[in-house]
Amino acid sequence: EDQVTQSPEALRLQEGESSSLNCSYTVSGLRGLFWYRQDPGKGPEFLFTLYSAGEEKEKERLKATLTKKESFLHITAPKPEDSATYLCAVQAGSSASKIIFGSGTRLSIRP
Amino acid sequence: DTAVSQTPKYLVTQMGNDKSIKCEQNLGHDTMYWYKQDSKKFLKIMFSYNNKELIINETVPNRFSPKSPDKAHLNLHINSLELGDSAVYFCASSQDAAGVTETQYFGPGTRLLVL
Repeated sequence: EDQVTQSPEALRLQEGESSSLNCSYTVSGLRGLFWYRQDPGKGPEFLFTLYSAGEEKEKERLKATLTKKESFLHITAPKPEDSATYLCAVQAGSSASKIIFGSGTRLSIRP
Repeated sequence: DTAVSQTPKYLVTQMGNDKSIKCEQNLGHDTMYWYKQDSKKFLKIMFSYNNKELIINETVPNRFSPKSPDKAHLNLHINSLELGDSAVYFCASSQDAAGVTETQYFGPGTRLLVL
């Protein structure tokens, strides 16, 4: 069964303290892996799509990487405005439109 | 000029009632989706329509019925509401359903509370 697991469930960092969020997946035929950011009371906001192992993408203080079994979202020198829930999702080859989400990592950055 | 909009934002209702949630996208996308986000924040797909045609229908009680009058709108009607239906419902859209991996754009969500 296709599955996405994110860890840790919650992460509290001091401003400027770099860290990584993990998304491990088991799917048949990965078509793509997505990272979204979700602020309280809002819908998920797209960050990155990764398609194949070894691929990396960056946006401001965020960098996403992908291996055959997991993806990492690295956050460098975070600021309080980076506080949000980060969701990982995978699109499996079994269905072009079906996307499976993890439960997210709640990231909190203290000033 | 919101890309994906939903109404209402909040919905509080009694068990047994029937309610509808509306969704509209102005991105010109062909595919729209309904997701349910439970209290543990898991987002689970319920339905997907491509150009007004149903393409994904997950294991959802048949009390839930999506309707797509045109490719810019996807409404969700729920009959005989139950306590377990309380959740946040998100509408989303993407350019296309087939072919390459598609980025989905989400609406702000409708918070449904069944009493």
